[in-house]
Amino acid sequence: EDQVTQSPEALRLQEGESSSLNCSYTVSGLRGLFWYRQDPGKGPEFLFTLYSAGEEKEKERLKATLTKKESFLHITAPKPEDSATYLCAVQSGNTPLVFGKGTRLSVIA
Amino acid sequence: DTGVSQDPRHKITKRGQNVTFRCDPISEHNRLYWYRQTLGQGPEFLTYFQNEAQLEKSRLLSDRFSAERPKGSFSTLEIQRTEQGDSAMYLCASSSTGGAEKLFFGSGTQLSVL
Repeated sequence: EDQVTQSPEALRLQEGESSSLNCSYTVSGLRGLFWYRQDPGKGPEFLFTLYSAGEEKEKERLKATLTKKESFLHITAPKPEDSATYLCAVQSGNTPLVFGKGTRLSVIA
Repeated sequence: DTGVSQDPRHKITKRGQNVTFRCDPISEHNRLYWYRQTLGQGPEFLTYFQNEAQLEKSRLLSDRFSAERPKGSFSTLEIQRTEQGDSAMYLCASSSTGGAEKLFFGSGTQLSVL
């Protein structure tokens, strides 16, 4: 059974203080690893898909990386508007996405 | 460009009542998913459709839950005889088949069972 574990559960950063969120996963055969952002009271918003170990993708202050066992979401010089819950999900074969519990990020001005 | 829309946004009901939610996916997407999310948890898969065919249901899905997607367009999720444990955000997502699936989510229906 596919499993996703995210850490930390919550993270509080000062504006400009860079950090990383972790997503550890176990799957029978990775088809894709996904990062989503979720604001309170809203549905998840797609950020990245990573397909194979060594792959990296960037969007503004966010950079996602992938190894065979985990993925990192690096946040460089975060701003208060980056505050949200960041969700990691995996897909193996043709199965529905399996999500982790997320990391709640708060960026303080 | 219209995204995934869900109706209603909020629903308050009494225990034992039936409720129905609607989801309108992105028009060119043939896959439609229902997920449930409680506070502090990630979305949990409930069921999905490819066109009008319901292809998979979570084994955690109670018999009180039923979903339909007539004509392969919008979908409805009905919960019969609601229980307090059904209180959650119900999320709908759509995607187009092929490759690793990128899901587009609606804003969800927040259900509160009193």
